[in-house]
Amino acid sequence: SAVISQKPSRDICQRGTSLTIQCQVDSQVTMMFWYRQQPGQSLTLIATANQGSEATYESGFVIDKFPISRPNLTFSTLTVSNMSPEDSSIYLCSVKVANTEAFFGQGTRLTVV
Amino acid sequence: AQSVAQPEDQVNVAEGNPLTVKCTYSVSGNPYLFWYVQYPNRGLQFLLKYITGDNLVKGSYGFEAEFNKSQTSFHLKKPSALVSDSALYFCAVRDESGTASKLTFGTGTRLQVTL
Repeated sequence: SAVISQKPSRDICQRGTSLTIQCQVDSQVTMMFWYRQQPGQSLTLIATANQGSEATYESGFVIDKFPISRPNLTFSTLTVSNMSPEDSSIYLCSVKVANTEAFFGQGTRLTVV
Repeated sequence: AQSVAQPEDQVNVAEGNPLTVKCTYSVSGNPYLFWYVQYPNRGLQFLLKYITGDNLVKGSYGFEAEFNKSQTSFHLKKPSALVSDSALYFCAVRDESGTASKLTFGTGTRLQVTL
């Protein structure tokens, strides 16, 4: 299993600003994933972050809007840039350990005003 | 492409009664199937998974799910519901035959258990 700590747990931000979300895992993992859950919606994968390489973004998500860092095997950050109210969502970090289920952080509830 | 369908937005059941939350999937290769639960203001918690082997898998909190390959279904079940089971449930699939390891989630089913 894996324990994931995600910070901040929630934030209220002004439009046009940026927020960086941190994800810390208690073990080394190759792949980390960032998801977005818009209000009342399911989870949508934003990108896959591998250590030592550029993140791979899903359709509809771009690096300029959601830059990701992955400096080592236990840590990643997701930045939500130039925020607008449409970015108000829960952002979740996830990891897959070996060939098992994915584990999720508690999420960051972002409100953009 | 892989996909998951959860046809019910909400399931209502009385405490003590059996519950079923439906899930069907589509993948090109072998499916790895998962159920997660989300309580208010919380992240996702893993309930159970099917990778291979016995079609009936048992998970946390008394939940179980049955993999049916011919019907491409993976319905979540519990023999006797509790009020504390009220939450949002997500089915997810991963196609392990592909190069990607990403999960695709269903739209979620809200389970409401009443006294």
